[in-house]
Order: sequence, then C-alpha cells, then structure tokens
Amino acid sequence: DTEVTQTPKHLVMGMTNKKSLKCEQHMGHRAMYWYKQKAKKPPELMFVYSYEKLSINESVPSRFSPECPNSSLLNLHLHALQPEDSALYLCASSQDYFTSGERYEQYFGPGTRLTVT
Amino acid sequence: AQTVTQSQPEMSVQEAETVTLSCTYDTSESDYYLFWYKQPPSRQMILVIRQEAYKQQNATENRFSVNFQKAAKSFSLKISDSQLGDAAMYFCAYRTNYGGATNKLIFGTGTLLAVQP
Repeated sequence: DTEVTQTPKHLVMGMTNKKSLKCEQHMGHRAMYWYKQKAKKPPELMFVYSYEKLSINESVPSRFSPECPNSSLLNLHLHALQPEDSALYLCASSQDYFTSGERYEQYFGPGTRLTVT
Repeated sequence: AQTVTQSQPEMSVQEAETVTLSCTYDTSESDYYLFWYKQPPSRQMILVIRQEAYKQQNATENRFSVNFQKAAKSFSLKISDSQLGDAAMYFCAYRTNYGGATNKLIFGTGTLLAVQP
C-alpha cells in the first residue's frame, strides 16, 4: 500500500473559523510533510515531522498549527486564516527525512483544496 | 544553494506524438537524484521517473524516458506516443544524496502540458 490519504477534499471556511486538515499513511513512514501549493506553482514546504517530532518549520505563520498524534497521522489546524491562504494543501510521507537515497522518496496525497472567504 | 529551472511554462502535443520537456539545474554536488513529477487536474503528485546522478544510463519507464546530461546539468523528459491522460503539470525536482543530507525536494516552476486529440 503506497497511499497517502487526505480529508477533506474541499474545505471552505471563514476567516474566524477553526478547522483541521487530516493526513494518514500506513506505509510505516517516519517522516510526514505539509506543503502549500498555489495554482500553477510548485509546492512550497511548510512543515516536516520526523519520528513524530516537528523538525522543520519553514517560517509558517502561527495561524497554521501542525500536529502529529502518531507516526501514521498528521493534522494541520487552521485558525484565523486570510483569503491569501486559499490554496491546495498537500501532505506527503517518506521513510525518513534526515536520510537520502532511493528508498526515501516522498509519496504525496491528493490534497485538500482550501478556500478562505 | 541548488536551483531547478523549467523554461517552458506551457507545452502542447498532438495525441500519439512525442514531446520533450526541459529542465536544467544548478548544483555543486556530485551525488543527487532528479525526478519528474506529474500533477494532473486530480491534483495528486505522481512520481513519473527518477534518475540518480551516478548512473550514466538514462532512466526509462514505459513511454517516459529522460535525457540526463550531467555535465550540462540538464534533465529533460521525453513522452512518447502521447495520450490524453498525459495532460498535466509536470514538475522537475532535485534532491541531494549524500550522507547526512535531508530528503528535501527542490522543485522547478513546472510545465503545463496539453494533449490535443
């Protein structure tokens, strides 16, 4: 099973709402990633969890709060977002983050399309 | 720092024809991986093909093949017998491959490929 799942597929929220994005993988991967992707642009790395600990935060605003409850699950909590935060949010996983090599490639989920009104 | 450049924002090909997408990169490293990812309108990033810098033989996956020119730092993707399902955004990506390195992907800006029936 090489699948990364994400829920919901679409999310519309107001600027005062609190919502969460969910990502799950069952490949035994120990690294999980959140990316933000604007239309016709490459994904931008936001956060990396390695062995359930936050390893990388690419200077993301605090209105985005990641959480890794266990090695298979990754959440992104959203609060007081701005319209410019509307984007596709991709989750990915890999065997490890602090190791390179063919076995460590990233597998991506289908994404959550977020619209902030 | 490594950079990846895709100079063709959009390309078009007739069904059953062959198309080549260009990618150049800049690095001072000698060992790394290069990837082509496909992102169709369904949004999921799918790994099309990978190439390790130390392997001289160009990678091939069915109708997809690469022309890897290490000295020129060029990594083009050739799609043969193009099909309607090949229509997508294609991203070239770089990842370092030495001990102690991270699994971070560096993406190009993407090429939007249209396939005409």
